[in-house]
Amino acid sequence: DIQMTQSPSSLSASVGDRVTITCQASQDISNFLSWYQQKPGKAPKLLIYDASNLETGVPLRFSGSGSGTDFTFTISSLQPDDIATYYCQQYEILPLTFGQGTRLEIK
Amino acid sequence: QVQLVESGGGVVQPGGALRLSCAASGFTLRNYGIHWVRQTPGKGLEWVTFIHYEGNDKHYADSVKGRFTISKDDSRNSLYLQMNSLRDEDTAVYYCARDQGPGKTGIDYWGQGILVTVSS
Repeated sequence: DIQMTQSPSSLSASVGDRVTITCQASQDISNFLSWYQQKPGKAPKLLIYDASNLETGVPLRFSGSGSGTDFTFTISSLQPDDIATYYCQQYEILPLTFGQGTRLEIK
Repeated sequence: QVQLVESGGGVVQPGGALRLSCAASGFTLRNYGIHWVRQTPGKGLEWVTFIHYEGNDKHYADSVKGRFTISKDDSRNSLYLQMNSLRDEDTAVYYCARDQGPGKTGIDYWGQGILVTVSS
């Protein structure tokens, strides 16, 4: 199975800050990576697919980059509504595997 | 709009069985593959199983192989997960989730999730 190592596990930042989360795959996954946002008690919501494509309706402050084994997720200017846990997920091959999540808090 | 609604969760004893359902609307299962993914506080998000849109290709995580069975009824636009020989470690929130498809794609829509508790 492909292991996804996500960091940091938690992050505290101020409104307006630039926030970056990284995800490393244990083997080359090309650009077959998604990023999800999950709020407490809710299902994950797709933000980014194919490593850098913004899902329809998702604010432009969210972006993704990377290919191969190293990926980055960025919020350009943190907003209060962005408080959530964020996950990366690879779909290069089954089983789909997820990062352990990054809990984002407002400082 | 695309919706996935799970049902059938609850409390079951170890060794017991449970059948989850997932009702799809806003799209047809004839055109999309569907995953089941589960989530626990300890293990995070764990992929469980996938059924191809044609229904003839199914895949399972090693942890559930031989115990869980995924199926679908296109006429009802519904999906099912039969879970047998349940163990404590199967306790989780279970989500059905649509594969973006076609080709090598990930998940775009998730249901709201349903809690399964395995406990004596």
